[in-house]
This record gives sequence, structure tokens and C-alpha cells, in this order.
Amino acid sequence: AQKVTQAQTEISVVEKEDVTLDCVYETRDTTYYLFWYKQPPSGELVFLIRRNSFDEQNEISGRYSWNFQKSTSSFNFTITASQVVDSAVYFCALSEVTGANSKLTFGKGITLSVRP
Amino acid sequence: EPEVTQTPSHQVTQMGQEVILRCVPISNHLYFYWYRQILGQKVEFLVSFYNNEISEKSEIFDDQFSVERPDGSNFTLKIRSTKLEDSAMYFCASTAFPTLNDFGSGTRLTVV
Repeated sequence: AQKVTQAQTEISVVEKEDVTLDCVYETRDTTYYLFWYKQPPSGELVFLIRRNSFDEQNEISGRYSWNFQKSTSSFNFTITASQVVDSAVYFCALSEVTGANSKLTFGKGITLSVRP
Repeated sequence: EPEVTQTPSHQVTQMGQEVILRCVPISNHLYFYWYRQILGQKVEFLVSFYNNEISEKSEIFDDQFSVERPDGSNFTLKIRSTKLEDSAMYFCASTAFPTLNDFGSGTRLTVV
């Protein structure tokens, strides 16, 4: 069975600090996808990134970067020079592709507070 | 850009009443999902739907829940007799192929 662990529950930083959100996953499949979503106080789920299990290249998008390491089953997310608008709950999620179904399994989420 | 639309955004209902949550998936998508998020908790998979039938359901999705795609565009989640513990945010999602869920903005259900 698939599982996503986000061991950090709440993180508080001061604006402009860098912050890394950890994600560890478990799966028996060789083909899977990993995701990060942002959930601001308004409640919607905002897609940030998807990586497939065959692509271990790290990715950078502006102030966001992701470090995917299959050897440690981790998919960590770093925000550089954090801003108050980054305050939200961040979810890591895993999708195995089984036939016609690719449900997402979410971690418990990390509440990030960025103080001015 | 096409998006998944959910209505209503917030629904209040009395315990024991039936509710129908509505979703309009992206038009060329083939796979549909409902997820639930109890306040302050993680997002949990409820059910997946493909080719007009349920492809998988979680243990949360018991007999009081049902899904339907009545007219080829809407995708609905019905809760037959709501309980207080059904209060949650319900997210609909759709995909064109089984890899990425496009999520709607959610319906916040409050059972009183």
C-alpha cells in the first residue's frame, strides 16, 4: 500500500528565510508520480509540481525547488527567500497508476507560517 | 484555461438530510474522483469513476455515498443521510489520463 509521510507538522519562519518541507513516500510500484500542492487559507488545492518516478532531475521554478531522491524515497520542497504569501498548508502526494485509477494518497500536510 | 467547477461552494444541511454535491469536470477528461478533507486533516480519496462505473472506492465510501454522471457533463456525489461527521471539504478532480488530478475549488459541507 502506498503511504506519504510529512513528519513536520508546523514550520514558522521569518520572511526571506529559506525553508525546506520534507516528504517521504512508500510504494511497491516502479511507476508512480509525486506531487506537491499548496492549500492557502481560502481552501483550494493549488498544484505546484508533478514528477514521475523515472525522472530524478531536480527542478527549480522561481523561488521553488524540488529534490527527488529515489534512494531515500524522498521528494523535498524548498522555498527560497520565503514571503508572507507563501503561508499555507503544503501537501505532498503520491499516485500509483493502476489500470484506470490513479488516485492520490496525501500526506498530512505541513502548515507553513511566514512572519514579516 | 479549462477548469473543474464545483457547486455550491458552501452547503449547510441538517443531519439526516440528503445532499448532492455537483462537479463539472474538464470536458475531454475521462477519469473522475471525489476526495474529502475534514477540517485540519489531510485530503482523503473517496472514489474514482471511469467508463461510467466506479473503478475504486475507499473504506470511507460506504452505502450512504453514491456517485453518478447523469448527463455526460456533471459528476455528482450524493450523501443519502448526512451525519455530523460528514462535515468536510469535498473536492472533485478529473484527469484526461491517469496521472494528474485537476482539482475543483471544493464544496464545504456543514452538517448541523
